[in-house]
Amino acid sequence: DVKVTQSSRYLVKRTGEKVFLECVQDMDHENMFWYRQDPGLGLRLIYFSYDVKMKEKGDIPEGYSVSREKKERFSLILESASTNQTSMYLCASSTRWGAFFGQGTRLTVV
Amino acid sequence: KNQVEQSPQSLIILEGKNCTLQCNYTVSPFSNLRWYKQDTGRGPVSLTIMTFSENTKSNGRYTATLDADTKQSSLHITASQLSDSASYICVVSANYGGSQGNLIFGKGTKLSVKP
Repeated sequence: DVKVTQSSRYLVKRTGEKVFLECVQDMDHENMFWYRQDPGLGLRLIYFSYDVKMKEKGDIPEGYSVSREKKERFSLILESASTNQTSMYLCASSTRWGAFFGQGTRLTVV
Repeated sequence: KNQVEQSPQSLIILEGKNCTLQCNYTVSPFSNLRWYKQDTGRGPVSLTIMTFSENTKSNGRYTATLDADTKQSSLHITASQLSDSASYICVVSANYGGSQGNLIFGKGTKLSVKP
């Protein structure tokens, strides 16, 4: 079974903090994604990566950056957390046959 | 623009009843379509995957259909249970990367099954 693991289920951070969300997949997938999910808005793509050290902006990249130094690991970075970044964050990895998701990280910025 | 539209946005049914969720897409070139179930506070879990040549696929009480000509898919849930209460998300994979990666998401249908 494909496994996508996010480092935290729940996270509470203060405004202005730098936040790291980690995602690891064990199936050697080339594609990895970070989404945020908010009520009524569905999943929105923040960044994705096709390969090590490669990244592409999604629909809502502002306030975020990413890092992919190894194939299995894709990190989402909030440079200076703000309250409007309170959300559920989902990581996924994919082949052409579809995506496999992590369990999600519920981030609250206070 | 590649899009995936789901309907209804939300649905309430009584336990034991059947229901059908709809997914219309305008994704090209099409690779495959997956239905996911997402329980509250959890990540989505795949229910079925449909490729271009497949019309129907079942997974227990879940049956997905695909009409590649009209670009429509449905997910039918038979004899619903309380544990079916969740959001159901339709995701279409395109055969290329593009600005969305290769995954285009619907906004989901929120299903509530009442006793």
